[in-house]
Amino acid sequence: GDSVTQMEGPVTLSEEAFLTINCTYTATGYPSLFWYVQYPGEGLQLLLKATKADDKGSNKGFEATYRKETTSFHLEKGSVQVSDSAVYFCALVSRKGGSEKLVFGKGTKLTVNP
Amino acid sequence: EAQVTQNPRYLITVTGKKLTVTCSQNMNHEYMSWYRQDPGLGLRQIYYSMNVEVTDKGDVPEGYKVSRKEKRNFPLILESPSPNQTSLYFCASSNRDGNNSPLHFGNGTRLTVT
Repeated sequence: GDSVTQMEGPVTLSEEAFLTINCTYTATGYPSLFWYVQYPGEGLQLLLKATKADDKGSNKGFEATYRKETTSFHLEKGSVQVSDSAVYFCALVSRKGGSEKLVFGKGTKLTVNP
Repeated sequence: EAQVTQNPRYLITVTGKKLTVTCSQNMNHEYMSWYRQDPGLGLRQIYYSMNVEVTDKGDVPEGYKVSRKEKRNFPLILESPSPNQTSLYFCASSNRDGNNSPLHFGNGTRLTVT
């Protein structure tokens, strides 16, 4: 079935460092891809998305590009802040029969130190 | 304010004592879903509903029940909870268009079964 693999955490960075969180997927066709973020004590919220190959999703300084050649959707940010500390989830839309669902990676915990 | 509301936020119970976790959304979304989040396993889908009176099993439905009698509500029922159901639970909803409509999550219910 469809699946998402993202880099194991935790990731610890200093403020203003460059961030990359790797995400690769296995799926039939070309699913829409998402990054969700979970701040402490909260539910997940959508960070960015891309619906077709070569699309770049961006939000709050984060970016990810849909690469069908490498089946990847890596998350990047040029200069992280303490407030970016959270758990990040890569996800895709999986369709089977008449139903669809989001399939999530296992999450990567990011801690940014001042 | 558009939101998904889960109650309670925290629940401690004993093995075998039936419980219900409520979920309500005010966005008129057709699609609703329950996930559980466990360390090292990420989010796994328990049940989902494509519309009123339409529910289906996700990846880990054993030990759970759901109902969708109204569009806004999607309660999760544990008829006879067991310690392996200790977890963080999230309800989510969206329009029925996975490509363009993200999932909106509640803030979670942390359940402990002793």
